[in-house]
Amino acid sequence: AQTVTQSQPEMSVQEAETVTLSCTYDTSESDYYLFWYKQPPSRQMILVIRQEAYKQQNATENRFSVNFQKAAKSFSLKISDSQLGDAAMYFCAYIGNSNYQLIWGAGTKLIIKP
Amino acid sequence: KAGVTQTPRYLIKTRGQQVTLSCSPISGHRSVSWYQQTPGQGLQFLFEYFSETQRNKGNFPGRFSGRQFSNSRSEMNVSTLELGDSALYLCASSLSLAESTDTQYFGPGTRLTVL
Repeated sequence: AQTVTQSQPEMSVQEAETVTLSCTYDTSESDYYLFWYKQPPSRQMILVIRQEAYKQQNATENRFSVNFQKAAKSFSLKISDSQLGDAAMYFCAYIGNSNYQLIWGAGTKLIIKP
Repeated sequence: KAGVTQTPRYLIKTRGQQVTLSCSPISGHRSVSWYQQTPGQGLQFLFEYFSETQRNKGNFPGRFSGRQFSNSRSEMNVSTLELGDSALYLCASSLSLAESTDTQYFGPGTRLTVL
């Protein structure tokens, strides 16, 4: 069975600094996708970034980028120039081609210090 | 395009009652998935529907059921509510054409409280 692990329950960063959130996963599948979702206090789950396993190039979306290490099964999220609006729970999620369901990590609470 | 909508946003029920939650996907999306989010168990997959067919189901008791209509709108039903069913129920939609791994976009959720 596939699993996703986020080992940092909480992280804090000074506004305008850079922070990296960690995620590891376990799977025997060769074709899969990885996601980072953000859930602010409103509880709306918002897609941050997506990575296809077959792509070696790391995905980027403006201030958000990932470090995808397929052999190590690691998928970290880097947030540059942190802003107060980035404060939220961040969830790492996995989906394979076989069963149509997202498998979630426990989440990391990101605190931005002004 | 309008996003995923869920109704109602908040619901209070008592033990033993049943509840129906509704989800309207993004226009053109044919897949709808449901997730339960609780502080203790985190995010757990309930089921996924595509073209009115359930393609996958999570590890939940039979009290949890769902369906999808021809317009892709989906409902989930929980019968004989228990205190432990109190949770945020999230619905997500995706295009899901050739690939099963299309990105899922989420609605705002329904907060269910069981007293």
